[in-house]
Amino acid sequence: AQRVTQPEKLLSVFKGAPVELKCNYSYSGSPELFWYVQYSRQRLQLLLRHISRESIKGFTADLNKGETSFHLKKPFAQEEDSAMYYCALSGSSNTGKLIFGQGTTLQVKP
Amino acid sequence: GAVVSQHPSRVICKSGTSVKIECRSLDFQATTMFWYRQFPKQSLMLMATSNEGSKATYEQGVEKDKFLINHASLTLSTLTVTSAHPEDSSFYICSVIGGSETQYFGPGTRLLVL
Repeated sequence: AQRVTQPEKLLSVFKGAPVELKCNYSYSGSPELFWYVQYSRQRLQLLLRHISRESIKGFTADLNKGETSFHLKKPFAQEEDSAMYYCALSGSSNTGKLIFGQGTTLQVKP
Repeated sequence: GAVVSQHPSRVICKSGTSVKIECRSLDFQATTMFWYRQFPKQSLMLMATSNEGSKATYEQGVEKDKFLINHASLTLSTLTVTSAHPEDSSFYICSVIGGSETQYFGPGTRLLVL
């Protein structure tokens, strides 16, 4: 079964501290993994995707097929990073469908 | 990218009535749109894939007669919640696959059924 798990509902850190939002997935084929972010009162938007292998707003995520993980990391959190973060998976069938994790609220305190 | 709008942004209706929610792709021709449902503080759950000019594909457990989807043009998909009940109260979000196979999301429609 296809599944995305984000074990933490809430992650609270101080400004300048490192951040790691965990994401594990279950998929039998070769999935494409994404991180989406939703800032307060804004729509969901793409943060990054694993095939791009790029860093957006200082965030990076590496797909670890052995551990079936796609954790989101940032070395120094900023207050403006406070938001809801969703990990999502798209299967290899190329339908475009996304399966979302439960989401993690990141709270960066001053 | 693609700019996606939804109308209305919020709606309150009486139990038993039907509510139509529109999803528009403002600058991109979308053959495929997706409809999601999000309960408070929970994840997005895919309800159906809306295909332009053909029938929508519903996810398991989603009643197609309850949630009618029409994708009559490349820029508009509508979701009609028929005979709405309080348990249908939720946040409904649509998305469009834009350039680079990226999904672009609408702002969502909050439905409250009294």
